[in-house]
Amino acid sequence: RKEVEQDPGPFNVPEGATVAFNCTYSNSASQSFFWYRQDCRKEPKLLMSVYSSGNEDGRFTAQLNRASQYISLLIRDSKLSDSATYLCVVNAQDDKIIFGKGTRLHILP
Amino acid sequence: NAGVTQTPKFQVLKTGQSMTLQCAQDMNHNSMYWYRQDPGMGLRLIYYSASEGTTDKGEVPNGYNVSRLNKREFSLRLESAAPSQTSVYFCASSQTLTGGFGNTIYFGEGSWLTVV
Repeated sequence: RKEVEQDPGPFNVPEGATVAFNCTYSNSASQSFFWYRQDCRKEPKLLMSVYSSGNEDGRFTAQLNRASQYISLLIRDSKLSDSATYLCVVNAQDDKIIFGKGTRLHILP
Repeated sequence: NAGVTQTPKFQVLKTGQSMTLQCAQDMNHNSMYWYRQDPGMGLRLIYYSASEGTTDKGEVPNGYNVSRLNKREFSLRLESAAPSQTSVYFCASSQTLTGGFGNTIYFGEGSWLTVV
C-alpha cells in the first residue's frame, strides 16, 4: 500500500456544486495532516491543516478519520478559481513529510 | 517577503552539460528540500537537508548532488544532464524535518529545466 494515496481525478464539477475527495495514508503513527493547493505551473501552497476535530475555513472543510486512516476535503459552492490540484500531505512524528500525487479539480462554468 | 527563492527559472541544457540550481530561504528554517515534479508523477523528493551541515538522499537522488552551503542556501547540481532529468524542480523549506501542525512547507516558484 502506498504511503499516501489520492484519486488523481480529474473531478469535473459545475460551478456552485459541492465536491469532496479523500486521501488515505498507510502509517498509523501519522500525526499531522494538511491539504496543499497547486495551481497550474505554480508551486504548491498550504490550503489548510486537518485537525482531529475537523476544521472549516470558509467554503472548505477538512476532516480526519483515524480509524479508517483517511482525510477528506469538501468544497462547497465551488468557484471557477477553485480549479487546481489538491495535494494531501501527511507527517508522522519521526518521519519525513509525505506528499500525495494530488487530485485534479476542474470547475466548469 | 521573499520566502524561498530559486534560480534560474528556466534553463535549457544539452545532454552531458552540468548546472547548479540555487535556492535560498529567508525564514530561518532548519530543513530544506529539492523535489522534482513530472506529469502524473507528483512531487518526488530528490535530496533533503534536515539541518545545516547534513544532507540525505530522497526517493530519486541518482544523477544529482546537493550542498547545504549554510542555513539559508541549498543548491542542487546536475553533473552530467540527461533528457530524463527534464522536469520542474522545486526547492522548499520548513522549520523542521518532522513535526506537527505549524510545520508548513514553503516552496519556491520552480525551475523549468529541459535537457535536449
